[in-house]
Amino acid sequence: SQKIEQNSEALNIQEGKTATLTCNYTNYSPAYLQWYRQDPGRGPVFLLLIRENEKEKRKERLKVTFDTTLKQSLFHITASQPADSATYLCAPGGSNYQLIWGAGTKLIIKP
Amino acid sequence: DVKVTQSSRYLVKRTGEKVFLECVQDMDHENMFWYRQDPGLGLRLIYFSYDVKMKEKGDIPEGYSVSREKKERFSLILESASTNQTSMYLCASIWGRGDYGYTFGSGTRLTVV
Repeated sequence: SQKIEQNSEALNIQEGKTATLTCNYTNYSPAYLQWYRQDPGRGPVFLLLIRENEKEKRKERLKVTFDTTLKQSLFHITASQPADSATYLCAPGGSNYQLIWGAGTKLIIKP
Repeated sequence: DVKVTQSSRYLVKRTGEKVFLECVQDMDHENMFWYRQDPGLGLRLIYFSYDVKMKEKGDIPEGYSVSREKKERFSLILESASTNQTSMYLCASIWGRGDYGYTFGSGTRLTVV
């Protein structure tokens, strides 16, 4: 069955450094992959989408890569700030507009 | 900004009660979804709807039903609430085929006692 894996342990990063989160998927060939941010007790908020024919996408301090050979996406936050602390969800998707969701990685940026 | 509004942030219901969770979106999106989210698990799709009066089962529809009488409103119904339905419920909507990102509501934290 399709499986999405994100680091289950929290990631602790010093303020100002680059945070890198990993999303691996198996038994799936997504047409695109989305990343979301979720704060405690709130709904996820869409951040970025990268398509299968794109290697990299950037938005301000965010960068996403998509390697269809490795079946992996990396999500980078440069110059991280305490306000970036949240859980980040990875969600590959296909032609039927349904997403398959990872459980998320909790990111903690320490001042 | 697109807004998806869920009627309640917190609900406490008794076992066996019929529970209604309401979701309204204001951007004329065709597609709407109901998910539940539990610790350590990814979002799990309960039901979705791609048009008025249309509905499709997701991965975990048992014990739930939905209603979509108007385009902007998608309701989730727990026919007879059970303690294993205690969870965070999230409604989402998308325009087109979803490759522009989902818009989620703030969620309803439901506790069944």
